[in-house]
Amino acid sequence: AIQMTQSPSSLSASVGDSVTITCRASQGIRNDLGWYQQKPGKAPKLLIYAASSLQSGVPSRFSGSVSGTDFTLTISSLQPEDFATYYCLQDYNYPRTFGQGTKVEIK
Amino acid sequence: QVQLQESGPGLVKPSGTLSLTCAVSGGSISSSDWWSWVRQPPGKGLEWIGEIYHTGTTNYNPSLESRVTISVDKSKNQFSLKLTSVTAADTAVYYCARAGVVADSFDYWGQGTLVTVSS
Repeated sequence: AIQMTQSPSSLSASVGDSVTITCRASQGIRNDLGWYQQKPGKAPKLLIYAASSLQSGVPSRFSGSVSGTDFTLTISSLQPEDFATYYCLQDYNYPRTFGQGTKVEIK
Repeated sequence: QVQLQESGPGLVKPSGTLSLTCAVSGGSISSSDWWSWVRQPPGKGLEWIGEIYHTGTTNYNPSLESRVTISVDKSKNQFSLKLTSVTAADTAVYYCARAGVVADSFDYWGQGTLVTVSS
């Protein structure tokens, strides 16, 4: 199975900060990766698909990029509603595998 | 707007079978989408369990494959999960989700249902 190594596991940031979360795939997965936001007690929400495409209705401060097997989610100008846990998910092959998650907390 | 709703017992005895159903509304389960189950143990990360296409074709996570069956009922526009020989390690929130046509990412999710394995 493809391993998705996500970092950092947690970070503290202030409103207005720019934050970056990374997922590294254990092998090439083209651009077959999505980013999800999960708030406590809620289902995950799709933010980015195909590594860099913004899901409909998601604010443009969220962006995704890829370089080889390294995938990045950037949140520019963090808003209060962005404090949550973020996961990557590779959908290149089976089994689908998630990163371990990054909890974004208020500094 | 597609909506997914999980249902099933919230408590299952050890060595028993966990059975959940996901009802799909606002769209057809016979569309060109795959329908998945994902679970999340309390305080932990997400794990993909498996998926089904409306034709009945399935893909499972090898870590659970020997215990998992996912089926579809097109007449009721729903799909189901069965997990046998459960232990406390199977205690989790179980989500159903749709992988859309544009990309294989999960664009619609159910709200999740907590299943506890305990005697």
